Amino acid sequence: TQLLEQSPQFLSIQEGENLTVYCNSSSVFSSLQWYRQEPGEGPVLLVTVVTGGEVKKLKRLTFQFGDARKDSSLHITAAQPGDTGLYLCAGAPASGAGSYQLTFGKGTKLSVIP
Amino acid sequence: NAGVTQTPKFRILKIGQSMTLQCTQDMNHNYMYWYRQDPGMGLKLIYYSVGAGITDKGEVPNGYNVSRSTTEDFPLRLELAAPSQTSVYFCASSYLPEGRGAFFGQGTRLTVV
Repeated sequence: TQLLEQSPQFLSIQEGENLTVYCNSSSVFSSLQWYRQEPGEGPVLLVTVVTGGEVKKLKRLTFQFGDARKDSSLHITAAQPGDTGLYLCAGAPASGAGSYQLTFGKGTKLSVIP
Repeated sequence: NAGVTQTPKFRILKIGQSMTLQCTQDMNHNYMYWYRQDPGMGLKLIYYSVGAGITDKGEVPNGYNVSRSTTEDFPLRLELAAPSQTSVYFCASSYLPEGRGAFFGQGTRLTVV
């Protein structure tokens, strides 16, 4: 079973601060995705990274895929209350059976205090 | 665009009852998935489908069944509900394999008492 460890599990910060969320595994992934989920809603896809070392930016959010494709990070600059939510990473295994099965991390619950 | 639509949003079942969770997508996606989300546990894959008529088990299939007679619909059947099936269930669809680019429904919150 592929495992994705997310850290921290909980994060409470003041508006305007920067933060980084990590997603780590001992397994190689063919792609890794980040989702944001708000209470009572389904996850919404933010980004997919597929190439080792890839960096993608989405406004104040910067996503990086590790060179070895085993880890990823999400950096938020100048956090705003609207960034509050549960951030989930999900990876697809690089080879073998189960290539249709995304593995999800347990999530990082972010609260941005005005 | 409706995207992925799940019904019902909430349901309370008694132990031993059965029910079907409905899922419909209007994006003509081949790949569809059912996940369950328990507090602090992330999402676990129950079943998935790569196209009409083709389904396969995910990580936690016991106690569930699925069918995929059309591209649009992917219902999840719970037989003999148990308290361990209390969870939030999400249906998702994607145009790429591996769940890449997946769109999720709003979820069904199920309580088994």
